Amino acid sequence: DNQMTQSPSSLSASVGDRVTITCRTSQSIGTYLNWYQQKPGKPPKLLIYAASNLQSGVPSRFSGSGSGTDFTLTISSLQPEDFATYYCQQSYRALYTFGQGTKLEIK
Amino acid sequence: QVTLRESGPALVKPTETLTLTCTFSGFSLSTSGMCVSWIRQPPGKALDWLARIDWDDDKYYNTSLKTRLTISKDTSKNQVVLTMTNMDPVDTATYYCARTALTGLYYYFDYWGQGTLVTVSS
Repeated sequence: DNQMTQSPSSLSASVGDRVTITCRTSQSIGTYLNWYQQKPGKPPKLLIYAASNLQSGVPSRFSGSGSGTDFTLTISSLQPEDFATYYCQQSYRALYTFGQGTKLEIK
Repeated sequence: QVTLRESGPALVKPTETLTLTCTFSGFSLSTSGMCVSWIRQPPGKALDWLARIDWDDDKYYNTSLKTRLTISKDTSKNQVVLTMTNMDPVDTATYYCARTALTGLYYYFDYWGQGTLVTVSS
């Protein structure tokens, strides 16, 4: 199985900060990488698909980059509603796996 | 407007078979490129993809759980059903169904149900 490793597992930041979350895969997956945001008690919400494509309706402060085995999700200026848990997910072949999550908390 | 809703038992006993139904609207599983997946999340833990069924009835399963899972669809009812056999307390989780969209060669989960919590206990 393709292992997904997110870092950090948790992060404290302030409103207005620029934040970067990293996802590393054990096998190369091209750009078959998606990012989701999940708030407590809610289902995940798609933010980015195919590594860098912003899902419709998602604010432009969210961006994704990377290819192969290393990917990043960047939030350019944190807003209060961005404090949540973020997951990467690989979609290379139909063997979908998620990262362990990054919990973004208010400093 | 795309919506999905999961339904099924909240409590199952160990060794029993779980049957969950996803009822959706706003899209058709007979449309080329449309798929529905099941994903679960144990309390306080990460997401775990279980299975996917496609518009053409192709099916894909988590390799670790493949022997226990069956996914099927009823296109006329806009429903997808997941069965999981031999339930164990470690299978306690919130189970989600999600529309699995295809753009080019890329699949992603763009709409999710609210999830249903299934507890496995005697």
